[in-house]
Amino acid sequence: KAGVTQTPRYLIKTRGQQVTLSCSPISGHRSVSWYQQTPGQGLQFLFEYFSETQRNKGNFPGRFSGRQFSNSRSEMNVSTLELGDSALYLCASSLALTSYNEQFFGPGTRLTVL
Amino acid sequence: AQSVAQPEDQVNVAEGNPLTVKCTYSVSGNPYLFWYVQYPNRGLQFLLKYITGDNLVKGSYGFEAEFNKSQTSFHLKKPSALVSDSALYFCAAPSGAGSYQLTFGKGTKLSVIP
Repeated sequence: KAGVTQTPRYLIKTRGQQVTLSCSPISGHRSVSWYQQTPGQGLQFLFEYFSETQRNKGNFPGRFSGRQFSNSRSEMNVSTLELGDSALYLCASSLALTSYNEQFFGPGTRLTVL
Repeated sequence: AQSVAQPEDQVNVAEGNPLTVKCTYSVSGNPYLFWYVQYPNRGLQFLLKYITGDNLVKGSYGFEAEFNKSQTSFHLKKPSALVSDSALYFCAAPSGAGSYQLTFGKGTKLSVIP
């Protein structure tokens, strides 16, 4: 099976711009989660979607949003970028039938905000 | 809220020696615990998980983890370290009962010295 794919792998944006990141889960997985990874804060949960519905949301401002399509692919959007949004954004997919189903991560999108 | 902690930022071990990466947890009810590894510029890879049953869990790449309820620990172990095991290791748990959101430890950087 193909793994989780994320596009693009690298992005450079300037403050105030917006950005859209894309994630394609493993075939058959209906849950997609997004995480932000920074050296200072570590891995922080952004949100999780299951069958096009947001089930969980982390403690991030409203500038961070996401959606999931009927084919389980997901996008996350960050508007009005700030310097502190520079991070590795990781997407993970899971069967998520139970909370002990493991999550499988993509390679991430490295976002740099200048 | 459920949490995990990794008390060591860095662990150094000589190639061929046994390695241990520590994790403690604070979880109500039955704990579900995970270990992930992250190689440079890559996403996280699932290593193993504890759900219930045997306290010694075997995972990928020769890793295993020991669940200890009395000490609330879930340490990752390998009998003989390889240089290629050098990476960042994360312990994780669902953030709440029935939650599909993972809470991660801060990570432990493992360096295996030739």
